[in-house]
Amino acid sequence: GAVVSQHPSWVICKSGTSVKIECRSLDFQATTMFWYRQFPKKSLMLMATSNEGSKATYEQGVEKDKFLINHASLTLSTLTVTSAHPEDSSFYICSATQPTGGLGNQPQHFGDGTRLSIL
Amino acid sequence: AQKVTQAQTEISVVEKEDVTLDCVYETRDTTYYLFWYKQPPSGELVFLIRRNSFDEQNEISGRYSWNFQKSTSSFNFTITASQVVDSAVYFCALSELYNFNKFYFGSGTKLNVKP
Repeated sequence: GAVVSQHPSWVICKSGTSVKIECRSLDFQATTMFWYRQFPKKSLMLMATSNEGSKATYEQGVEKDKFLINHASLTLSTLTVTSAHPEDSSFYICSATQPTGGLGNQPQHFGDGTRLSIL
Repeated sequence: AQKVTQAQTEISVVEKEDVTLDCVYETRDTTYYLFWYKQPPSGELVFLIRRNSFDEQNEISGRYSWNFQKSTSSFNFTITASQVVDSAVYFCALSELYNFNKFYFGSGTKLNVKP
C-alpha cells in the first residue's frame, strides 16, 4: 500500500484563491520531503526541499511567496499555492525519505500527485 | 551540473515487439544513483529500478532489463515482448550520494504499445 499519501488528488478552483496540498508519510517519520511540479507532457521539476522545523529550500526560479511550504511535523508537509492563476495549473508530486538503511539506501517514496486546475 | 537526457520523446511499437528506452546522464559526482520510473495515465510514479554507480551489472526482471554503461554515461531500459499494459511515460532519474533524496528527472519517453 501507499507509504506517502497526498491530498487532494484533484482540485479545481477559481483564479485568485489559495490551494493547500498535503503530503503525509505513513508509518514513518520524514525530516525531509520534496515537492515536484510536472507540466503536461513534461518532466518532473524539483521545486523545493521541505525541512521539518525549518525553512524550505527552494530551487532557482521558484517563487517562495507563491509556493508556501510548511513542514510542521515529521509526517506532514504542505504546499500552498497562493493567489493561484491558470498558469499555476499543473501536476504536483511530493516525495519523502524513509529513514531506514544507511546513506544511499534509504527508500524514496512518491505520493500519487495532485492535479491542480485553476479556472 | 546534473542532467538526465531522454532523447526519445515518444515511441510506438506493436505488441510483442522489443523496445529500448535510452537514458544518458551527466554528473560530476563519482557516487550516484540511477532510477527508472513508470508513470501511467493516472499519474502516480511506479518505481522500477535503482542502480548505484558502483554496480555496473546488467539487471533483468521478467520482461524488463537494464543496461548500465558507465563509460558512456548511459542507463538504457529494454522491454522484451511488449504488452499494451506497458503503455506509459517512463522517466529516468539521477540522484547523488550526498543529496540522494533530490531527484533529477529526464524529460520522459512516452511508450505506446498497440495491439
